[in-house]
Amino acid sequence: EPEVTQTPSHQVTQMGQEVILRCVPISNHLYFYWYRQILGQKVEFLVSFYNNEISEKSEIFDDQFSVERPDGSNFTLKIRSTKLEDSAMYFCASRNAGTGANYGYTFGSGTRLTVV
Amino acid sequence: GQQLNQSPQSMFIQEGEDVSMNCTSSSIFNTWLWYKQEPGEGPVLLIALYKAGELTSNGRLTAQFGITRKDSFLNISASIPSDVGIYFCAGQYDYGQNFVFGPGTRLSVLP
Repeated sequence: EPEVTQTPSHQVTQMGQEVILRCVPISNHLYFYWYRQILGQKVEFLVSFYNNEISEKSEIFDDQFSVERPDGSNFTLKIRSTKLEDSAMYFCASRNAGTGANYGYTFGSGTRLTVV
Repeated sequence: GQQLNQSPQSMFIQEGEDVSMNCTSSSIFNTWLWYKQEPGEGPVLLIALYKAGELTSNGRLTAQFGITRKDSFLNISASIPSDVGIYFCAGQYDYGQNFVFGPGTRLSVLP
C-alpha cells in the first residue's frame, strides 16, 4: 500500500526558530496538502499545492508559512519564526487527479511540532 | 466559513454493539469523506460519498450521503476493540476545493 511519509515524527524547537517539516507524497499523486491538528482539536486545512504553486490557503497560513516542492519527490512546509501556538501535529496529504474510489486524500502519520 | 458538526462528541459502547454517528453542515457539500484517526497517527480514509442518497459500505462500516446534502451518517456494526479511535467527517463543497473537517466523534469500546 503506497504511503505518504513524513519526517521527523517529532520536532522540538525554540520559539522564534525556523522549522522545516518534510513530506514525501505518493509518487503518482498530483495534489498536495498540509493540515494541522492542535492537540485534542479538529484537523484544520492549511494549504493546497498543485502544479508547483499554491492553489488554496487558509487564514492560518500567513506570511510565516511557506511550502515548496524542491524536487520531484519532497513537499516541505516551512515555518519561519515559530510561535508557541504553532505547536500541533502537522499532517501532509496527497491525492491523485481522479474521482471515485481514489478521490480521498492519503494522509501521512504526521509530525508533532512542539515549540518551547 | 463552512463548518461541520459531529454528534455525539464521544461515546462509550460495549463490544458487539452497533454504533451510529452523524455529521451535519449548514452548507451543501458535494463530497463527504469519513476518516478514522488512532492516537499518534494520521487520519485514514474509511468511506467516500459522492452523490446525495448514496449508501456505501466498507466491511462493518456503512455511510450515507444525506438527501439534503447537508449531512452524512456513519454506522459501525458489531463493534470490536480495534474500532476505538476518533472518527472525522470531511466535506467538500466543490471539486478541487479543500475539505473541511468536523470536530470528530471519539469512540471507546468496552470489552
